[in-house]
Amino acid sequence: SQQGEEDPQALSIQEGENATMNCSYKTSINNLQWYRQNSGRGLVHLILIRSNEREKHSGRLRVTLDTSKKSSSLLITASRAADTASYFCATPGGTSYGKLTFGQGTILTVHP
Amino acid sequence: DAMVIQNPRYQVTQFGKPVTLSCSQTLNHNVMYWYQQKSSQAPKLLFHYYDKDFNNEADTPDNFQSRRPNTSFCFLDIRSPGLGDAAMYLCATSAGRRPLENEQFFGPGTRLTVL
Repeated sequence: SQQGEEDPQALSIQEGENATMNCSYKTSINNLQWYRQNSGRGLVHLILIRSNEREKHSGRLRVTLDTSKKSSSLLITASRAADTASYFCATPGGTSYGKLTFGQGTILTVHP
Repeated sequence: DAMVIQNPRYQVTQFGKPVTLSCSQTLNHNVMYWYQQKSSQAPKLLFHYYDKDFNNEADTPDNFQSRRPNTSFCFLDIRSPGLGDAAMYLCATSAGRRPLENEQFFGPGTRLTVL
């Protein structure tokens, strides 16, 4: 079953603008991760936020987590054309060891 | 550099002809995963190994099998590929020391085409 739902499904912005993507999930989690996938490539881990954290930064990335609303957001500031990719949130799922369940993803296009 | 390698990057097979995709890692990670990803969809976990312990997802078709002969290598066998099995297949690893906080490291994927 789908754990993470992301919106928007697609986002198109100009270079220099900020991009915000949202993820909602259904069950209690220990942590939430964000991954990036460039077209036709594997996923790259961006950031992990634990359930006892509300906000986390990594370079131009800012992630928030609201466990009461079961939602997270990923903000990319001062976007660049190289940020064009799909972005997925992922949550620990099921009882399988280290299993992640991925959201449907947001396709971000940054126009130069 | 430590990494996850998948071969081949592109694989074309015929309907019903068995195919094997391979994955190797130099990270010495305990856990290896195989995902199927169809166009514009989320990666879907097929199965994973923790060391030699195999964990199959309940909805993974019997057509998909896996082997992990040693820590470094893991194979995905598709016994009788159908047109619906055309997809990107992603291999990933994780260290397995903190199961709920495992960052996963992905290979570049193998794009499978079924004719």
